[in-house]
Amino acid sequence: GESVGLHLPTLSVQEGDNSIINCAYSNSASDYFIWYKQESGKGPQFIIDIRSNMDKRQGQRVTVLLNKTVKHLSLQIAATQPGDSAVYFCAESLEGDSTLTFGKGTMLLVSP
Amino acid sequence: GAVVSQHPSWVICKSGTSVKIECRSLDFQATTMFWYRQFPKQSLMLMATSNEGSKATYEQGVEKDKFLINHASLTLSTLTVTSAHPEDSSFYICSALRRTSGEQYFGPGTRLTVT
Repeated sequence: GESVGLHLPTLSVQEGDNSIINCAYSNSASDYFIWYKQESGKGPQFIIDIRSNMDKRQGQRVTVLLNKTVKHLSLQIAATQPGDSAVYFCAESLEGDSTLTFGKGTMLLVSP
Repeated sequence: GAVVSQHPSWVICKSGTSVKIECRSLDFQATTMFWYRQFPKQSLMLMATSNEGSKATYEQGVEKDKFLINHASLTLSTLTVTSAHPEDSSFYICSALRRTSGEQYFGPGTRLTVT
């Protein structure tokens, strides 16, 4: 299930389940979005990106969905593994501007 | 793949002293580097944008005289926390914008603890 901590919402799943992590972005003009994975004590690691002219993009075990109407982004992880446990951040930017604005993040906990 | 390093990976310093953190792009040139600060259980907050050969651009609320940024070459940017205080204790992360592709790569972060 999902719970909201003091600062970081947490999603707890069982190994093998599919996980869905959501993000509400702030700027309706943003046209480039990235999902990052951050393990404890490390820098963010690129997972997948999507531009605003698309509403879905698939990678290996991951899918990103973009709903521009409601400014919502989601990351779907198939067959979640314990190694997927980390904090996941969405980030948004404007075309021609490399500055990224990060969302609040969601902690994913995968139980074996 | 593109690699960005940070040095040191962690540092403990006494209140009132200054600490320098290095960010290097190891196998590509970066005209722009970004510095972020991250407090526990929080998101990354952009502090400043560092452009090679020019002054850094600081985000609102970030003191430029306290957080000195130097981007002297296409592969190195430094962040110096001057007169550090315990409230400056945080995880500092840099990223580098690859000049040829526009892709952004993150460093592993530096944990600063001010006692």
